[in-house]
Amino acid sequence: AQSVTQLDSQVPVFEEAPVELRCNYSSSVSVYLFWYVQYPNQGLQLLLKYLSGSTLVESINGFEAEFNKSQTSFHLRKPSVHISDTAEYFCAVSKFGNEKLTFGTGTRLTIIP
Amino acid sequence: DVKVTQSSRYLVKRTGEKVFLECVQDMDHENMFWYRQDPGLGLRLIYFSYDVKMKEKGDIPEGYSVSREKKERFSLILESASTNQTSMYLCASLPGLAGGRRNTQYFGPGTRLTVL
Repeated sequence: AQSVTQLDSQVPVFEEAPVELRCNYSSSVSVYLFWYVQYPNQGLQLLLKYLSGSTLVESINGFEAEFNKSQTSFHLRKPSVHISDTAEYFCAVSKFGNEKLTFGTGTRLTIIP
Repeated sequence: DVKVTQSSRYLVKRTGEKVFLECVQDMDHENMFWYRQDPGLGLRLIYFSYDVKMKEKGDIPEGYSVSREKKERFSLILESASTNQTSMYLCASLPGLAGGRRNTQYFGPGTRLTVL
């Protein structure tokens, strides 16, 4: 079975500073990787995903994540955060050919003005 | 745009009551899921369905059952609600292989259930 670890439950960051949210996974087979975002009082939305190809994937709002197979990581980064990035971020993994997602415990990103 | 709706945003029930949580999606997706979300535990899969009348247990199915009589609707049932089922419940849908946009689950806004 696969598992996902998000070591940081809360990350406070000053506005316009860079941020990295860490995600590590374990699996004995090849996987797909995802980052979902949950804004206050809303459901989850897909932020970005890695299925195959280039190991660096980007979202439309400036986030990026890099799949590192040797370190089994999929860390999320943004060079300059904005107040509107305040949300909870979930890393998730699924096995090839399997629809089920396994989620991490989430990281709450708080932007300090 | 895909739309996943859940019947209630907030629900308060008493211990022992039978509770129905409804989820409807408008994009003809084959797969539907029920998760519960708890602080510090993330999202955990309760049940999922890959077709009408088909269901499969997730990681925490105890105390829950599901029903999928129509493709667009997936119901979560708490036969006898207990206080430890107080949580946020999220529904999601996912297209099948022929539906494109593979592997992206679309989530509803959630139902916050309180069992007293």
